[in-house]
Amino acid sequence: AQSVSQHNHHVILSEAASLELGCNYSYGGTVNLFWYVQYPGQHLQLLLKYFSGDPLVKGIKGFEAEFIKSKFSFNLRKPSVQWSDTAEYFCAVNSNSGYALNFGKGTSLLVTP
Amino acid sequence: DAGVTQSPTHLIKTRGQQVTLRCSPISGHKSVSWYQQVLGQGPQFIFQYYEKEERGRGNFPDRFSARQFPNYSSELNVNALLLGDSALYLCASSLAPEGVGETQYFGPGTRLLVL
Repeated sequence: AQSVSQHNHHVILSEAASLELGCNYSYGGTVNLFWYVQYPGQHLQLLLKYFSGDPLVKGIKGFEAEFIKSKFSFNLRKPSVQWSDTAEYFCAVNSNSGYALNFGKGTSLLVTP
Repeated sequence: DAGVTQSPTHLIKTRGQQVTLRCSPISGHKSVSWYQQVLGQGPQFIFQYYEKEERGRGNFPDRFSARQFPNYSSELNVNALLLGDSALYLCASSLAPEGVGETQYFGPGTRLLVL
């Protein structure tokens, strides 16, 4: 069955610390990969996406993610987090033959001053 | 440009009642998808509509139905509400349902509480 796993459900970091959030998926065939963010009181926003080409993709607000096909992973990274990065982060996957996004359970990030 | 809009923002219903949620996509977007987000979980796919036709359905009971109008807006209907239907219902729009690179843009959601 197709699935998306996010390893960390709750992460607490101090400002300026580095961030890496794990995402693994179980899908057959070609996949499209996304990271969405939900800031407190706001709607889901796209951080970055990967469809093809360079497996290292850069998104908004200094975030980046690396697609490692052999590991079925798409981990999100940021070298130095800010208090404003406090939010819920969701990894999502769909296939080229499908349209529905399959989301992970999310990771709640709290950045302390 | 206006993003995806949804109404109402909040709703309280009792078990057994019926509810209708509404969504207006981004201008020019012809595809609308509905997701259910239960507290502490990621969104789960319910439906996708494109050009007024259902293109996909998630693992939800027949109590859930939807439709898309000629102006590409959409309604999600849920009949015979259960306590477990309490959730944030998200609408997402995209230019088209398929194709590499298609991104779905989400609205703020309708929070439904079933008592």
